[in-house]
Amino acid sequence: KAGVTQTPRYLIKTRGQQVTLSCSPISGHRSVSWYQQTPGQGLQFLFEYFSETQRNKGNFPGRFSGRQFSNSRSEMNVSTLELGDSALYLCASSPAGQGNTEAFFGQGTRLTVV
Amino acid sequence: SQQGEEDPQALSIQEGENATMNCSYKTSINNLQWYRQNSGRGLVHLILIRSNEREKHSGRLRVTLDTSKKSSSLLITASRAADTASYFCATDEKAGSYQLTFGKGTKLSVIP
Repeated sequence: KAGVTQTPRYLIKTRGQQVTLSCSPISGHRSVSWYQQTPGQGLQFLFEYFSETQRNKGNFPGRFSGRQFSNSRSEMNVSTLELGDSALYLCASSPAGQGNTEAFFGQGTRLTVV
Repeated sequence: SQQGEEDPQALSIQEGENATMNCSYKTSINNLQWYRQNSGRGLVHLILIRSNEREKHSGRLRVTLDTSKKSSSLLITASRAADTASYFCATDEKAGSYQLTFGKGTKLSVIP
């Protein structure tokens, strides 16, 4: 079974631009979550999607948004990029519905804002 | 926001020794999990312990959970150089929630 796939792996953007990151979950997994990892703040939850609906949202500004498609693939978008958005963005999928909240992570997208 | 702290922040041991990492958290939890991360790559799930469990084993890993103290420990026995990584605990607070709150991690170095 293929793992969680995130594209692109690396990205360099300029302040003020926007960016879209993509995540393909493990086949059959319906829950997709996004996390931001920085040296200063560590791993922080962004949002979680299940069956195309956002179920939970972390404490991030509205510039951060996401969506999930009917095939469970997910995208997250960051608009008006700031230098502080430079981070490793991790996507995780979970099978859901089994009471087991184990998450399977992708390799991440490393975003650098210059 | 961070759920709690891992202790120590960094740990350096010789191959073959045991490594113990501790995690504290602030709120009541449903599950507690441990993950490993190699050099800024994706996280790998190691073990999950439910709030009504006190101890769990998986291969060379042993996890304990003390909900009265809001703390957990991860023991890696007979460590190997390949165990060199950062280790994070993560909690979820209610059944069916896939929102994980991570600690700050322990950086483990195993010297061959």
